[in-house]
Amino acid sequence: DVKVTQSSRYLVKRTGEKVFLECVQDMDHENMFWYRQDPGLGLRLIYFSYDVKMKEKGDIPEGYSVSREKKERFSLILESASTNQTSMYLCASSLGGFTNEKLFFGSGTQLSVL
Amino acid sequence: ILNVEQSPQSLHVQEGDSTNFTCSFPSSNFYALHWYRWETAKSPEALFVMTLNGDEKKKGRISATLNTKEGYSYLYIKGSQPEDSATYLCALAHSWGKFQFGAGTQVVVTP
Repeated sequence: DVKVTQSSRYLVKRTGEKVFLECVQDMDHENMFWYRQDPGLGLRLIYFSYDVKMKEKGDIPEGYSVSREKKERFSLILESASTNQTSMYLCASSLGGFTNEKLFFGSGTQLSVL
Repeated sequence: ILNVEQSPQSLHVQEGDSTNFTCSFPSSNFYALHWYRWETAKSPEALFVMTLNGDEKKKGRISATLNTKEGYSYLYIKGSQPEDSATYLCALAHSWGKFQFGAGTQVVVTP
């Protein structure tokens, strides 16, 4: 089974801090995604990557950046954390670029920015 | 970007009862519809990936239908069990790498 591992389950940071969220997948998937989940809203795509060093902005990229130096690892960076970035962050991966490829998710990081 | 609506937002089901809930969308301008189950403190897991030819999918007591003409997909749970308690997410794959998720239906099955 594919495993997608997120580095932290819970994280508490202060406003203005630089925050790194790490995600690793172990099945050689091409695509990796970062989503955030807020109450009453669907998962919203922040960034995705379809290859090493390749990235595309999602629907809400402002305030975030990403890094994919190795195929298995996709990092989400909050350059200067703000309270409105308090959220559940989910990483996902998929095998290829077809729309019938299912997503495999990590278990999420609940980030609180104080 | 298509607006994906899931209803109801939450529902309570008695163990043994069957239930269903809806994912609706305004147009069929997408390539596939995905259903995921998200249990508390776990990762969302794929249940079904449905293509636009209107097929029905089944996995044990859970099944799903897709009606692109009317703009909805139903997820059915037959004989609900406590382990079915989860949030069920619907997502439209409307272009490469892009999924539009609904807000989910939270199902609570009480013994």
